[in-house]
Amino acid sequence: GENVEQHPSTLSVQEGDSAVIKCTYSDSASNYFPWYKQELGKGPQLIIDIRSNVGEKKDQRIAVTLNKTAKHFSLHITETQPEDSAVYFCAVSGATGTASKLTFGTGTRLQVTL
Amino acid sequence: EAQVTQNPRYLITVTGKKLTVTCSQNMNHEYMSWYRQDPGLGLRQIYYSMNVEVTDKGDVPEGYKVSRKEKRNFPLILESPSPNQTSLYFCASSPLTSGSQYEQYFGPGTRLTVT
Repeated sequence: GENVEQHPSTLSVQEGDSAVIKCTYSDSASNYFPWYKQELGKGPQLIIDIRSNVGEKKDQRIAVTLNKTAKHFSLHITETQPEDSAVYFCAVSGATGTASKLTFGTGTRLQVTL
Repeated sequence: EAQVTQNPRYLITVTGKKLTVTCSQNMNHEYMSWYRQDPGLGLRQIYYSMNVEVTDKGDVPEGYKVSRKEKRNFPLILESPSPNQTSLYFCASSPLTSGSQYEQYFGPGTRLTVT
């Protein structure tokens, strides 16, 4: 089955700096790559996603890049703010072409310090 | 308000005592799923359902049962809980056909402790 590795497990940045989280996956047939943010005491929430026919996608301060050849994708957060502090999960799906199988990474705890 | 609800939010029980965690969504989503979240392991899928009366195993189905008799509800059943099922559980739902086809909407979580 699909194997997703996520690094780093913890990340501390100063407010205003950039943060980058990386994930690698094993199944070259995967075609959907979402990122979820989990705040304390809440369920994960989708913040951005990318499909395999696109190399990069941006949404304000958040961007995701995908390298299908190398089978890795990254989350980039610029101008970090204290409210960005949370646990971030990457996920991979699509080998079956449906939403039935999201395989998640192990999570990155991001702390934005003042 | 569009949401996924889970009950209970917190549960402490003893080994072998059957329990059910309920999940309900009001978004008319076809797809529903259960995950467990453990430190260092991320979220792992337990069971999922593509529609009413259609369920299938995820990565860690052992010790769990589910049913999907109605579109909005997807209860998780632990027939004989064991301490290794102590975890944080999330229910999620997804519209299989929408602009953001694969987005999953998560409930607030149920923290289960089995002693």
